[in-house]
Amino acid sequence: SAVISQKPSRDICQRGTSLTIQCQVDSQVTMMFWYRQQPGQSLTLIATANQGSEATYESGFVIDKFPISRPNLTFSTLTVSNMSPEDSSIYLCSVARGGGGALETQYFGPGTRLLVL
Amino acid sequence: GESVGLHLPTLSVQEGDNSIINCAYSNSASDYFIWYKQESGKGPQFIIDIRSNMDKRQGQRVTVLLNKTVKHLSLQIAATQPGDSAVYFCAENDTGRRALTFGSGTRLQVQP
Repeated sequence: SAVISQKPSRDICQRGTSLTIQCQVDSQVTMMFWYRQQPGQSLTLIATANQGSEATYESGFVIDKFPISRPNLTFSTLTVSNMSPEDSSIYLCSVARGGGGALETQYFGPGTRLLVL
Repeated sequence: GESVGLHLPTLSVQEGDNSIINCAYSNSASDYFIWYKQESGKGPQFIIDIRSNMDKRQGQRVTVLLNKTVKHLSLQIAATQPGDSAVYFCAENDTGRRALTFGSGTRLQVQP
């Protein structure tokens, strides 16, 4: 497995502002992903963070709203921009260690709990 | 804690009983499946996985069964303990996709 940390662990933000969430892994990993978990719901993939290139976004998520950086193989950030109360969720970083093939376990960070007022 | 699992189906069992949590999937191309446990205030924790060339896999106190014919996955927990209380998610992946697709989740409540 991998040890994954996220900062901040939780935050309360005002609408219209932006928050950047950091994800740090204790060793190099090939794949990093960002998920959203709305209250009482399951996990939905936002995007795959690609090292050295633009992130790959899922349908319904756009770069202007959720810009992502991945400067190296152990670190990524997700920004939630121009926040509204509908963005209140848990945001989770996930990693896969190896070549990123389909048959590979993903491990999750502890999540960032965001409340937008 | 936050409202993880607040609106999810709930399975309530007595301590010491066996628990069975079910999951249906729709993608016939899925070839890898994982069960995760999520406790309040934490991220999902890996429990056990299974590949599509298998129909059963056992871990410590847990067994995963896969029925590809009806696209059904189950997680069996033996001698359920209060510490098993959590939300359980199944997740699937197929060869053409690098990230997991999650099921809707089931909340397990263990009564002492």
